[in-house]
Order: sequence, then structure tokens, then C-alpha cells
Amino acid sequence: QVQLKESGPGLVQPSETLSLTCTVSGFSLTSNSVHWVRQPPGKGLEWMGIIRSGGSTDYNSGLKSRLSISRDTSKSQVFLKMNSLQTEDTAIYYCTRMRDWGQGVMVTVSS
Amino acid sequence: DIQMTQSPSLLSASVGDRVTLNCKASQNINKNLNWFQQKLGESPKLLISYTNNLQTGIPSRFSGSGSATDYILTISSLQPEDVATYFCFQYNSGPYTFGAGATLELK
Repeated sequence: QVQLKESGPGLVQPSETLSLTCTVSGFSLTSNSVHWVRQPPGKGLEWMGIIRSGGSTDYNSGLKSRLSISRDTSKSQVFLKMNSLQTEDTAIYYCTRMRDWGQGVMVTVSS
Repeated sequence: DIQMTQSPSLLSASVGDRVTLNCKASQNINKNLNWFQQKLGESPKLLISYTNNLQTGIPSRFSGSGSATDYILTISSLQPEDVATYFCFQYNSGPYTFGAGATLELK
């Protein structure tokens, strides 16, 4: 069945870079787009970006300068890298293909 | 960027009530709108795609409608398990955007 699973560090220091991996199964990255979405504690959903089936990317305007999404189709993995993290980047980070979602990974930015 | 405005942000309703949640886009999004339900502590769940396509396994009391800039999620007869926050999401043009959410609680 379809699964998406996020992995990465739970704690990141301010000003450092966040690296997350989304490992998918049950579908092909070359036929499906994968999005990253985040949710600060107690707040709403924020769309971060997408990597489409053809490999093109698009990003949230407010995060574009700090964010990069890439993939390794041979490993069925999608990657998120975001630099210059601040406390307001503390959130649950989800990868999703919209009709299927990962469980999310909580990332706390703190010294 | 396209802004998505949801109203009301909080709604209290009784079991059996008909509930409507609104989502307004800042420009025409050509029905490219999804609705998600998120229960406390859970990942969001896709309820409806492309304005009115009910996803497999979603109860038929949920329906979606709308066009251009104005969209509605309707629950025909509210059930206790529908207590959740509901988000609209436009994917007509990038960057894609979510509404701020509408929290539905039982009266």
C-alpha cells in the first residue's frame, strides 16, 4: 500500500540547516508529485513546495530563498533542505501526495 | 500569490445540523481546490478534490461545490466524528496555498 515516511533531526540549532527525507512506497516518484507541508504548533497548514513527476520544483514565496527540494527516484526518496532556521520554523513537517500523507516529523529550532 | 480566505474560522453546530464552510480565493482558481480534514493529533486527510470529487471512503454527507473564486464544503448531517479543522487548498497556480482553516465543534 501507499506510504510516506518523514525522517530527520528533531532538534536543530538556530541559523543551521534542516535536512529531511521523505521515503515513499507503493507509488512512483516519476508518476506523482510530492509536496512538503508544515504546521507550527497549534496553527494551520503551510504549503512549502513541490517536486513534480518530471522533476520540476516550485516553492512558497516566503521560503524560496532558503528552501530546496530534490529527489532520488532510485531510492524513492524526496529531500527537503532549508537553511538559516529560526524559532518560527518550529513545526511538524509533512510530506504528501495530497491523497496520502506521512505521519509528520516534529522539528524544534532551539539552542 | 493567491490568498485563500476561509469563513467562519470557528463554527459550533449540533449533531444532525447541516454545516457549510466557505473558502474564497483572491482570484479565479478554476475549481482547482481540495478540502482536507484534520483531527487533533492526526495528519490531514483529503476529503474532496477538484471542488466536488469525493474521495474513496469519505462519507456521502460531505460534498463540495463552487467555481471561480467561491467554494463551499457542506456536511449534510453533522456527526460527532466530524469534529475537526477543515482546510481548503488551491493548486491552480503556484505557489499553492492553504486557507487558514475552519474549526468545527459540537454545540
